[in-house]
Amino acid sequence: NAGVTQTPKFRILKIGQSMTLQCTQDMNHNYMYWYRQDPGMGLKLIYYSVGAGITDKGEVPNGYNVSRSTTEDFPLRLELAAPSQTSVYFCASSETRGSGNTIYFGEGSWLTVV
Amino acid sequence: GESVGLHLPTLSVQEGDNSIINCAYSNSASDYFIWYKQESGKGPQFIIDIRSNMDKRQGQRVTVLLNKTVKHLSLQIAATQPGDSAVYFCAEKRDNYGQNFVFGPGTRLSVLP
Repeated sequence: NAGVTQTPKFRILKIGQSMTLQCTQDMNHNYMYWYRQDPGMGLKLIYYSVGAGITDKGEVPNGYNVSRSTTEDFPLRLELAAPSQTSVYFCASSETRGSGNTIYFGEGSWLTVV
Repeated sequence: GESVGLHLPTLSVQEGDNSIINCAYSNSASDYFIWYKQESGKGPQFIIDIRSNMDKRQGQRVTVLLNKTVKHLSLQIAATQPGDSAVYFCAEKRDNYGQNFVFGPGTRLSVLP
């Protein structure tokens, strides 16, 4: 079972460069999320989507953009990379909004901005 | 890959002993809670969940206890094994916070041989 798949696993960017983190899920989940995880901190929500064509900002959206053209895919774009965006990024999905529906995570993407 | 949670509290237990990992949450309106396990270099993995209308739920070797009075959640792991070594963190779903789960920073469990 593939679940949530994100690429690349590792990436080094120079300040000012752009890149896209890819995420796809094969569970037909409506909800998808992008989180970042910094050392010693809990996961912080960047953006989320409740379905194709709909996206919303999370807690820390600045410097990022997302799109949701299909149910399966939810790419995260960094337009002008900054050192503060060095982090581990996790894509996730869940079935519905209601209580009792857990979030499933991808394996993570380690991004370093130098 | 880079390890996450470099400055997390650490709980060290002997193999075979029981482990108790604690989590305090902040919002009395939170109605659903999840415990995740995260091994180094990997994504968080679901362990067990509990709704706010329950105070205890058991799984295989794991038990979650919820004390709504003091807003406290705990994860008990029975007969801890080396494979249980990981970072464990809780997540609370705030019913009035849209889609947002709030995640704790986690506790690193180290199992000693």
